[in-house]
This record gives sequence, C-alpha cells and structure tokens, in this order.
Amino acid sequence: DIQMTQSPSSVSASVGDRVTITCRASQGISNWLAWYQQKPGKVPKLLIYAASSLQSGVPSRFSGSGSGTDFTLTISSLQPEDFASYYCQQANSFPLTFGGGTKVEIK
Amino acid sequence: EVQLVESGGGLVQPGGSLRLSCAASGFTFSSYSMNWVRQAPGKGLEWVSYISSSSSTIYYADSAKGRFTISRDNAKKSLFLQMNSLRAEDTAVYYCARELPYGGSSWYFDSWGQGTLVTVSS
Repeated sequence: DIQMTQSPSSVSASVGDRVTITCRASQGISNWLAWYQQKPGKVPKLLIYAASSLQSGVPSRFSGSGSGTDFTLTISSLQPEDFASYYCQQANSFPLTFGGGTKVEIK
Repeated sequence: EVQLVESGGGLVQPGGSLRLSCAASGFTFSSYSMNWVRQAPGKGLEWVSYISSSSSTIYYADSAKGRFTISRDNAKKSLFLQMNSLRAEDTAVYYCARELPYGGSSWYFDSWGQGTLVTVSS
C-alpha cells in the first residue's frame, strides 16, 4: 500500500499569509494526486486533481505542484473561508489512501 | 445538480450488520464509478470501497475485505454497502463519493454525499 504523509499536521496563519502544505508518497505516484478541503461538520471538497489541475469553481489562490513522491498545496493569500483541514489523496493504485490531514488555524 | 443522499446508518452492536444506501440524482449514474469513504469521529478520511460503472471491477480496503460488500443498481440510481461483522473501529461517518470524470475514469472524488453515521457499540 502507498502511504501518504502530510506535513505539517497543523499550521497557524493569518489572513493574507502564504501557506504551503506538503504531501509525500511512500513510492512514486506520477501526478496521481488530489487535494481536498474539509471545514468542520462539512463534506470534503475537491480542490486540486492530477497534482496541479484546479477543480472547477475553486479560487485561483489555490495551486498544487509536484510529481513522483513530493507534492505541495499552496494557498497564495489565505482568506477567512480557507481555515479548514486539508487532505491529500493518491489515485495511482488501490487501495486509495489519504494523508493524515493538515489543519489550518487562525493565528 | 449532482446529489448524493446516504441512508441506513445507525447504532448497531458489535458483530451486527447494516446496509447503507446512496441515492444519486442529477447525473447519469450508470456512467460513473462510485466509492465509499469513511471518517471516524475527529479523524481523517479513509477510503473503503470502489465499484466501477458496470460493477465489473470492485476493490476494498483491507479493513473492509471479507466483511463489507459494495454493490449498485443502475436502474434505481443507487449505491449500497452491506456491512457485516461490525466492530467498534468501524464507527464513522460513511460518505458515498462519485469519481471525477477525468481521462475516462479517475479515482478522484468530485461529489460527496452528506454522509451517514454508523455507530458500533454495545
């Protein structure tokens, strides 16, 4: 199974900050990676797929990069509505696996 | 508008069974692969099972293998998860999730239901 490791597990940031979250796969997954946002009590929302493709309707301040084993999600200018948990997910092979999550909190 | 509505969750004793359902609307259900993903209280996301559009291909997480069975009824636009031999560690919100229509077939999840809570406790 492919293990997905996210870091950090939590980050405190202010509105307007640039935030970067990292996801590392235990083996190469090409660009088969997605990022999801989940707000408390809400359903996960797909932000990025294929490592860097922005899902329809997602603001352009979100971007993804990486290939192989190392990936990043960047929020260029954090907005109040971005305080949430973020998860990466590999879509290279079954079993599909998620990272442990990163909670973005208000500083 | 894509809608996925889960039902069937509830409180069950260890060793018991439950059958979850997911009713789909707003898209051509028979053209999409579907998944079950769960989230234990206060924890992260865990993929549980996948079924292709025609039911020809099915996968399970190791935690579900041998105990859970995924199925679908394309005529009724419904997805199911039969869960047997339930354990306390199966306690979670269970989401049905549709595949993103990317490259013919993808293993990304672009639409999610609101989830149904399964609690396994005596």
